[in-house]
Amino acid sequence: AQSVSQHNHHVILSEAASLELGCNYSYGGTVNLFWYVQYPGQHLQLLLKYFSGDPLVKGIKGFEAEFIKSKFSFNLRKPSVQWSDTAEYFCAAGAAGNKLTFGGGTRVLVKP
Amino acid sequence: EAGVAQSPRYKIIEKRQSVAFWCNPISGHATLYWYQQILGQGPKLLIQFQNNGVVDDSQLPKDRFSAERLKGVDSTLKIQPAKLEDSAVYLCASSQPLGLAGLRGGELFFGEGSRLTVL
Repeated sequence: AQSVSQHNHHVILSEAASLELGCNYSYGGTVNLFWYVQYPGQHLQLLLKYFSGDPLVKGIKGFEAEFIKSKFSFNLRKPSVQWSDTAEYFCAAGAAGNKLTFGGGTRVLVKP
Repeated sequence: EAGVAQSPRYKIIEKRQSVAFWCNPISGHATLYWYQQILGQGPKLLIQFQNNGVVDDSQLPKDRFSAERLKGVDSTLKIQPAKLEDSAVYLCASSQPLGLAGLRGGELFFGEGSRLTVL
């Protein structure tokens, strides 16, 4: 069965700290990987995605993610967070056809 | 471009009552999804439409949930009768096929969701 797991439910850190959120997936065949973000009071929006090619993917707002096929992982990183990065982050995986399976989410609180 | 529109934003009902949610996807998006997001969990797919046909409804509780997408545009999700465990945010999303939309192909665009509370 397809599944996505996120390692941390809650992360609290200070501004300028580095952020890394773990994501592991279980999927048969070719998989497309995504990170979505939901800021307080807003809808889910795409941070970045990986379909193929360079396993290091850069997204919006300084976020990047690395696809490591051997570890079935797609971890999200940001070198220096800001207070405005406070949000909930979801990892998602899907095969062709666009249907996505989401992880449980990680709530990130950045203290000013 | 206009985003995915959903209504109502909030709904409170008592158990055993019925409720309906409406979604208008981004113009031209052939694929439409309904997800259920229970508090503290990630979104779970309920049903996927391609135009007006159902692609996947394997996780839709068909004894109480129904969905339709007449004319391949707007969609309605109905719950009848509602249970306490149906309290959640119901998210609608739309997308274009990977091969047709360049860099944005495969991306799901989400609406703001409809928050349901069942008492």
